[in-house]
Amino acid sequence: AQTVTQSQPEMSVQEAETVTLSCTYDTSESDYYLFWYKQPPSRQMILVIRQEAYKQQNATENRFSVNFQKAAKSFSLKISDSQLGDAAMYFCAYTPSGTYKYIFGTGTRLKVLA
Amino acid sequence: SQTIHQWPATLVQPVGSPLSLECTVEGTSNPNLYWYRQAAGRGLQLLFYSVGIGQISSEVPQNLSASRPQDRQFILSSKKLLLSDSGFYLCAWSVLTSGNTIYFGEGSWLTVV
Repeated sequence: AQTVTQSQPEMSVQEAETVTLSCTYDTSESDYYLFWYKQPPSRQMILVIRQEAYKQQNATENRFSVNFQKAAKSFSLKISDSQLGDAAMYFCAYTPSGTYKYIFGTGTRLKVLA
Repeated sequence: SQTIHQWPATLVQPVGSPLSLECTVEGTSNPNLYWYRQAAGRGLQLLFYSVGIGQISSEVPQNLSASRPQDRQFILSSKKLLLSDSGFYLCAWSVLTSGNTIYFGEGSWLTVV
């Protein structure tokens, strides 16, 4: 079965510091996409970053970057220079290429300390 | 650019009353459309998805139903709400040309009392 696991229910980081959120997944597919979504208190799900499995290069979006380890089925999110606005719930998600199914992890609540 | 809008944002409904949540997508054609529910402090549960007009797939047996009367319109309904239907409902869309990325609406808070 395809699963996504976020083993950290909650994380804290000091403002301006770096934090890494963990995500592992299980699949037998070779072609798929991975995502990180941010859900702030407003509850709207916002795309943070996307990674195509066939790309070896790790995706980056400004202060957000991923460490994609395909063999280990690991997809962690690194947030650099953390800001108060980064405080949110973060969800890792997986989808096999060309399908309509998205599998989400249970989320990691990130607190940013001033 | 593509946008997604869902309404109402918040509603409080008595047990046994009907429900209608509506979602529309602009700026894209033939999207895949989804309804998710998120209980307090929990992850996302897929309720329905649709790959075309009139084509609805249900993932979880519910007293809820979904309809897609137009290409970019997706409606979540119930004839009689239960207390357990309370939660946060999210509409979403995707197209394969967008790299399989799924995009979400602003969400609707439903409280059944």
